[in-house]
Amino acid sequence: DVKVTQSSRYLVKRTGEKVFLECVQDMDHENMFWYRQDPGLGLRLIYFSYDVKMKEKGDIPEGYSVSREKKERFSLILESASTNQTSMYLCASSPAGEGTEAFFGQGTRLTVV
Amino acid sequence: GQSLEQPSEVTAVEGAIVQINCTYQTSGFYGLSWYQQHDGGAPTFLSYNALDGLEETGRFSSFLSRSDSYGYLLLQELQMKDSASYFCAVRDRGGGFKTIFGAGTRLFVKA
Repeated sequence: DVKVTQSSRYLVKRTGEKVFLECVQDMDHENMFWYRQDPGLGLRLIYFSYDVKMKEKGDIPEGYSVSREKKERFSLILESASTNQTSMYLCASSPAGEGTEAFFGQGTRLTVV
Repeated sequence: GQSLEQPSEVTAVEGAIVQINCTYQTSGFYGLSWYQQHDGGAPTFLSYNALDGLEETGRFSSFLSRSDSYGYLLLQELQMKDSASYFCAVRDRGGGFKTIFGAGTRLFVKA
């Protein structure tokens, strides 16, 4: 079974802190994605990566950065956390090519206080 | 840019059939996917349509009309466990194969 593992299920951080969200997949997928999910807004793409060290901005990249040093790991970084970044963060991975299924991690519920 | 429109909520009774519609606007369309998400869970893949027509997988079917930029998910013989949120998603060629999701449709199945 494909497994996408996010490092934390729940996280509470203070405003201004640097926050790292880690995601690891075990199926050698080329593509990895970070989304945030907020009520009524669905899943909004923050960043995605289609290869090691390659990254592309999604629809809401402001305030975030990413790192993909190894194929299996994709990290989301909040450089200086703010309260409007309180959200559910979902990592996903998929094989290369069209029409491929995305597999999601269980999510990290981040609260910034 | 890209956008997807789907109803926010749908209610149906157990055993009935329900259709969840999705219209999309995207610069480089490759296909339409559907995902299911139960409360507290991760989204899980249901189906993918790249070509026009109906794809059937058990009780669930998905339809696509590329000329109308429209698709739907059809759920038959509804069960209580089908109560969940359903998201349509497009694979967009605008800068890699990024996947963009709609806001989701909350399905309530009543006894």
